Amino acid sequence: NAGVTQTPKFQVLKTGQSMTLQCAQDMNHEYMSWYRQDPGMGLRLIHYSVGAGITDQGEVPNGYNVSRSTTEDFPLRLLSAAPSQTSVYFCASSWDGMTYTQYFGPGTRLTVL
Amino acid sequence: KQEVTQIPAALSVPEGENLVLNCSFTDSAIYNLQWFRQDPGKGLTSLLLIQSSQREQTSGRLNASLDKSSGRSTLYIAASQPGDSATYLCAVSWVEGQGAQKLVFGQGTRLTINP
Repeated sequence: NAGVTQTPKFQVLKTGQSMTLQCAQDMNHEYMSWYRQDPGMGLRLIHYSVGAGITDQGEVPNGYNVSRSTTEDFPLRLLSAAPSQTSVYFCASSWDGMTYTQYFGPGTRLTVL
Repeated sequence: KQEVTQIPAALSVPEGENLVLNCSFTDSAIYNLQWFRQDPGKGLTSLLLIQSSQREQTSGRLNASLDKSSGRSTLYIAASQPGDSATYLCAVSWVEGQGAQKLVFGQGTRLTINP
């Protein structure tokens, strides 16, 4: 199993540009989520999904959109990038019917100029 | 609002020592607690998960305990090695509605094991 994969690893955007961070998992997990990690702020939940077609907002959803058309994929869209969105983004998945152990991807380091 | 605190923020010990990392949380109504390890520039790796009904979990040289009533968890690392150097995070979770697992993370303890 590849586990949770994220692309790209690094990205530099200019203010106002849009982009999509990709996340995929091959563990047949129902639950997927996106976090951002900032110095001094820790990890904060952006959006999450409990299954294909079902998404909801987390703690810091503004400026981000998500959709979940398949169990495997959970992309995160930045609509109009702002410097405040400079961060490291992690995708995570869990719940295979037995355990809620969270599995994290390697992260995407995003810089918005 | 659930808050998770980890003390100390950083810890440096010589190789071979046994050590304890602390995690406290403000709301005891949790579903489980997880300890993670994060190496620089990497994602998080789950080390141990303790269900709210459990008192402790063990994996190799790691032992995690949970005291829900006092809002505390400890991660015990036996016979520390330089390879244990990393940031350790704890996270508490609860489950809402359609099975959504919400996690709140502590800020982490940066551990350095000196050879």
